[in-house]
Amino acid sequence: AQSVTQLGSHVSVSEGALVLLRCNYSSSVPPYLFWYVQYPNQGLQLLLKYTSAATLVKGINGFEAEFKKSETSFHLTKPSAHMSDAAEYFCAVSEWTNAGKSTFGDGTTLTVKP
Amino acid sequence: DAGVTQSPTHLIKTRGQQVTLRCSPKSGHDTVSWYQQALGQGPQFIFQYYEEEERQRGNFPDRFSGHQFPNYSSELNVNALLLGDSALYLCASSLEGPFSTDTQYFGPGTRLTVL
Repeated sequence: AQSVTQLGSHVSVSEGALVLLRCNYSSSVPPYLFWYVQYPNQGLQLLLKYTSAATLVKGINGFEAEFKKSETSFHLTKPSAHMSDAAEYFCAVSEWTNAGKSTFGDGTTLTVKP
Repeated sequence: DAGVTQSPTHLIKTRGQQVTLRCSPKSGHDTVSWYQQALGQGPQFIFQYYEEEERQRGNFPDRFSGHQFPNYSSELNVNALLLGDSALYLCASSLEGPFSTDTQYFGPGTRLTVL
């Protein structure tokens, strides 16, 4: 069985500040890990993914995440927040044999203050 | 290249009714997964279709059923609707087999409201 825990349902940062969204996972098999962003009344957009290659993964819009097996973590970061980053962010895990079946965390709402 | 499309965008039903939601996968994808996203929560996996068969299923009752057509499009059917079925229903497509993309792409969702 797999599970995802996103620490902090709401995160607020100032524009230009570091963004750090936390994700811890549990998986009995080597995982694939994903971060998605969701804007109001829209579907999910893939930000980045880890699929057992490089542990530091770079995604779109300046986001990156580091896979740390020892800590079972996959935290999302961005050096400088922009107003357009305000959205809901979801971390997800899937088995490498079936990327189409993912288990999601409950999400973190990112607010960016001017 | 068309992405994943879903119809309708919004739907309002009453308790006890039945509903059908539709999904067309991204071009070249052969696998469709359906998710339910209740307000304020993350998506929950309902089931997945591959080669016109249900391949995996999440923890959802039999009131939730689906179908995949030869052109890989899919339908999600929900019978005997309950108030708790109100949610955003997301469809995602992916490519399995030797050319797997190990990534799924999501559609914009169908917002179902049950009154």
